Amino acid sequence: EVQLVESGGGLVQPGGSLRLSCAASGFTFSSYEMNWVRQAPGKGLEWVSYISSSGSTIYYADSVKGRFTISRDNAKNSLYLQMNSLRAEDTAVYYCAREEGATPDYWGQGTLVTVSS
Amino acid sequence: QSALTQPASVSGSPGQSITISCTGTSSDVGSYNLVSWYQQHPGKAPKLMIYEVSKRPSGVSNRFSGSKSGNTASLTISGLQAEDEADYYCCSYAGSSTFWVFGGGTKLTVL
Repeated sequence: EVQLVESGGGLVQPGGSLRLSCAASGFTFSSYEMNWVRQAPGKGLEWVSYISSSGSTIYYADSVKGRFTISRDNAKNSLYLQMNSLRAEDTAVYYCAREEGATPDYWGQGTLVTVSS
Repeated sequence: QSALTQPASVSGSPGQSITISCTGTSSDVGSYNLVSWYQQHPGKAPKLMIYEVSKRPSGVSNRFSGSKSGNTASLTISGLQAEDEADYYCCSYAGSSTFWVFGGGTKLTVL
């Protein structure tokens, strides 16, 4: 069974940093592209970042470019999102999502990030 | 404002059929047969219901179907059941820089 479990969310002040993790199991993690998608409270979904299976190709949404860094450790079956210079508008539930054929097929339960003073 | 446009809400009675539309542009929905639909119950992760416009993942009821015409995709749920009550989101691939764009979500109420 495919499982994605996010962790690392919490309350952080504007300008602060946070590192999210996503532990994957039930599939060959190193064979799949992965993404982060977020959902602000009461709002829709927004794609945040993509990383190829090897980690060699990375993309970011314009809203987080220069502030967020995606990475992965295939030996640990883990995906990460380093978030710096956080803003109030980054407040959201962050989901990691596996990608299959340019489609996000499996999602984790999400971790809540709240940026507030 | 979401990139794809969905109605905020739809409703139907048990046994009826409903259709949710998802309107994009020639840069996303109109360019790729990579439209997917997700069901999300409160506090839960999105669940893939339809991918590549009209394909159903294993385990998803055949009451769910998808289609596309031009820049608009649609999700149809037939034989509505109480457990279908949820939020539904459409998603389209939009190229290697924009990647995925989503609709704002549609709340389905089963009366």
